[in-house]
Amino acid sequence: DQQVKQNSPSLSVQEGRISILNCDYTNSMFDYFLWYKKYPAEGPTFLISISSIKDKNEDGRFTVFLNKSAKHLSLHIVPSQPGDSAVYFCAASAGSDKLIFGTGTRLQVFP
Amino acid sequence: DTEVTQTPKHLVMGMTNKKSLKCEQHMGHRAMYWYKQKAKKPPELMFVYSYEKLSINESVPSRFSPECPNSSLLNLHLHALQPEDSALYLCASSQVREGWETQYFGPGTRLLVL
Repeated sequence: DQQVKQNSPSLSVQEGRISILNCDYTNSMFDYFLWYKKYPAEGPTFLISISSIKDKNEDGRFTVFLNKSAKHLSLHIVPSQPGDSAVYFCAASAGSDKLIFGTGTRLQVFP
Repeated sequence: DTEVTQTPKHLVMGMTNKKSLKCEQHMGHRAMYWYKQKAKKPPELMFVYSYEKLSINESVPSRFSPECPNSSLLNLHLHALQPEDSALYLCASSQVREGWETQYFGPGTRLLVL
């Protein structure tokens, strides 16, 4: 039972354009959501998070949107840069120490 | 500061060997975690220590044995591993950020079991 889903395994975006990565979840008890970026053979790097009491959170080029009624969140990267090329994981928590990860989306930003 | 360090960076071991992975954080984080990650898969939680006590064991085989000697250190002892245990082993610790526990990961140890 995949509680957190990233339905797009890959995404290709031109440099300077917007990248939109999507994530859907099924468990209505999730109240905290995180995005991590991962390069090959490295640990995930925390990017940005959002709690269930908000619908938007911004940090520089990164914005996360949460639609609780649709059980959907998205990460927007504007403008996209070649260094953003990596695998992005969304993760969710229901108030415990357990994070449930999505399967990841590979983002490629080309010049 | 959210730095988690892990040693060694790479490890090759035979199925009869005993080895240990080490993780450190000096940020006073309450909880520390071990994850296993296979290629093209998300991280899988193995163990959680909270205030130096084991709080979650995700039914991990006994050939993996965690240890938390103090609040800054987390070890993972390995014994009689199988080739399918080859993976990236990640340590994380968590910090309250805007009222919510946020996990920060170390760089990982890439383990190859021959």
